[in-house]
This record gives sequence, structure tokens and C-alpha cells, in this order.
Amino acid sequence: NAGVMQNPRHLVRRRGQEARLRCSPMKGHSHVYWYRQLPEEGLKFMVYLQKENIIDESGMPKERFSAEFPKEGPSILRIQQVVRGDSAAYFCASSPSTYNEQFFGPGTRLTVL
Amino acid sequence: DQQVKQNSPSLSVQEGRISILNCDYTNSMFDYFLWYKKYPAEGPTFLISISSIKDKNEDGRFTVFLNKSAKHLSLHIVPSQPGDSAVYFCAASLTGNQFYFGTGTSLTVIP
Repeated sequence: NAGVMQNPRHLVRRRGQEARLRCSPMKGHSHVYWYRQLPEEGLKFMVYLQKENIIDESGMPKERFSAEFPKEGPSILRIQQVVRGDSAAYFCASSPSTYNEQFFGPGTRLTVL
Repeated sequence: DQQVKQNSPSLSVQEGRISILNCDYTNSMFDYFLWYKKYPAEGPTFLISISSIKDKNEDGRFTVFLNKSAKHLSLHIVPSQPGDSAVYFCAASLTGNQFYFGTGTSLTVIP
């Protein structure tokens, strides 16, 4: 049973470009979470999704950021018009239900030049 | 507003001794707590969890203690091994889905 998969592992974008980060949850997991880790900081919750639904996006910036988890395919975190402050490690996690451990992917390291 | 705090950014322990990692939280409504371990360039891996109805949970060398009145959580690793060297994050939740993470404690186990 493959773990949580994220791609790309490293992504370099210039200011103003778009970044698309993909996450394939573990088989059988219907809950997906995105977190951001800035240098020297802990993990910050961004958004929680179930298939085709955003359940909680309270941690996501209101502008430029969006997330989806379609019926088919991976979850996507999309950052439009990236700025240098978006440079961070973005982690995706999945779980089979609430009140359950979350399994994390290896992360995508976004660098904005 | 940091609802979960790990006030010690780093900790060094001799191999074979006990490692105690601490975590404080501010929201008394949190009812589920977890500890994760993270190696560089990898995602966090789950270690152990505890529900607020318990005050202790043990799994092999790892024991988590919960003191609800003090809003304090600790992870004990006995005996510590060099492979335990990593960053440890505590996390808390009140809904079972959104988790608030601490800033991490970097543990170094000295052989």
C-alpha cells in the first residue's frame, strides 16, 4: 500500500507565475489536508478536503490560494501569482476518518525566485 | 496565535537515557493529541496519540502523558537511541480533523 504521494518534490517558480502542487492520498483515505511549513516554523494548517468538498479552509490565505480534491485524481493546491513569501515546504496528509492519525507525504519544496 | 507551543527548540540526551519532550496548549477544548517525528527532507511520521479521556498512553519505548489541568503534554522516550534524533512535533485537535502543530523540538541522541 503506497503512502501519500506528492509531486513535484521541488518546484521553482518566478514571481507572478502559478504553482500547482499535487497530492495522492493513501488508498482508502478520503480526508486530505494541506499544511505549510515556513523556515524555522512549525506546520500550519491550510485546508481540509474530502472528495469534491472543501470542509475547512480557515488556514488558507483568501487570495491567490485554492485547493480541490476532485472525484477522480489527486488533490491540487494551486497558488496563483506567487511571491517570494510563498517559498516554503508544503505537506499533504491523508487519513481514513477524523480522530485518526494523519499520514504525511514527503512534501513539495517551493522556491520563488 | 500559537495555540500549541513547544518552548524548547532543541534537546540533547545521552544514548540509553530518557528523553522528555514537552508541549503546552492554550485551548482547553482540545480533545485529541498526537506526536510526530520528522527527519530532514521528509514528511512527519506519526508516533503516538492520546485522547483527552486518558492521561497516559504507551507504545513500546514511547509514552505520552497528558495533564489537562495544566494543559500540558509530554513525550517520554526510554531508552533513547541515536536513531531517535529528529524533530518532534506535538499536535492538538478539537474536531478530529484540523490539527494545530507546535514549532517542534530537535532531539539529538548522543552515542
